[in-house]
Amino acid sequence: AQSVTQLDSHVSVSEGTPVLLRCNYSSSYSPSLFWYVQHPNKGLQLLLKYTSAATLVKGINGFEAEFKKSETSFHLTKPSAHMSDAAEYFCVVSDRTGRRALTFGSGTRLQVQP
Amino acid sequence: EAGVTQFPSHSVIEKGQTVTLRCDPISGHDNLYWYRRVMGKEIKFLLHFVKESKQDESGMPNNRFLAERTGGTYSTLKVQPAELEDSGVYFCASSPYLPGGGDTQYFGPGTRLTVL
Repeated sequence: AQSVTQLDSHVSVSEGTPVLLRCNYSSSYSPSLFWYVQHPNKGLQLLLKYTSAATLVKGINGFEAEFKKSETSFHLTKPSAHMSDAAEYFCVVSDRTGRRALTFGSGTRLQVQP
Repeated sequence: EAGVTQFPSHSVIEKGQTVTLRCDPISGHDNLYWYRRVMGKEIKFLLHFVKESKQDESGMPNNRFLAERTGGTYSTLKVQPAELEDSGVYFCASSPYLPGGGDTQYFGPGTRLTVL
């Protein structure tokens, strides 16, 4: 069984300050981990993906995430927030055993203040 | 390249009526998935097609939901009869086939279903 916990339902930052969205996962097998973003009235867009290569994964729009097996974490970071980053972010796990269903976290809504 | 498309974008129906949602995956993607987000809850997996075959139906809530993928191209998800608790956003995703899994799923914009 696999699960994902997003530790914050809402995060508010000022424009130009760092962003940290926290995610912990549980998986019986070597997981694939993803971060997706959903802007208002838009579909889910893939930000980045970890599949057991480099533990530091770089994504689009300046986001990156680090896979830490010892901490079972996959936190999403960005050095400097932009107004356009305001959206809902989902941490997602897939266990790569052949069952391909994704398991989603509950989402973190990021607010960026001017 | 066109992304995953879903139709309609919004649907408002009354309890007891029937609604059919459609998903067109990215061309060439054998895998097609349906997910649902009920208000205030996580996005949950419903089912997975490989071409026209149902690979995993473990997330389908009950037998009022029927999914089809005739010819292995587009898919439909029918809810009959609809109940109030079926309200939510229904997402479709597709991905190319990778033997080891871990394939990236590309999502459509979703269909917002409201049952009154």
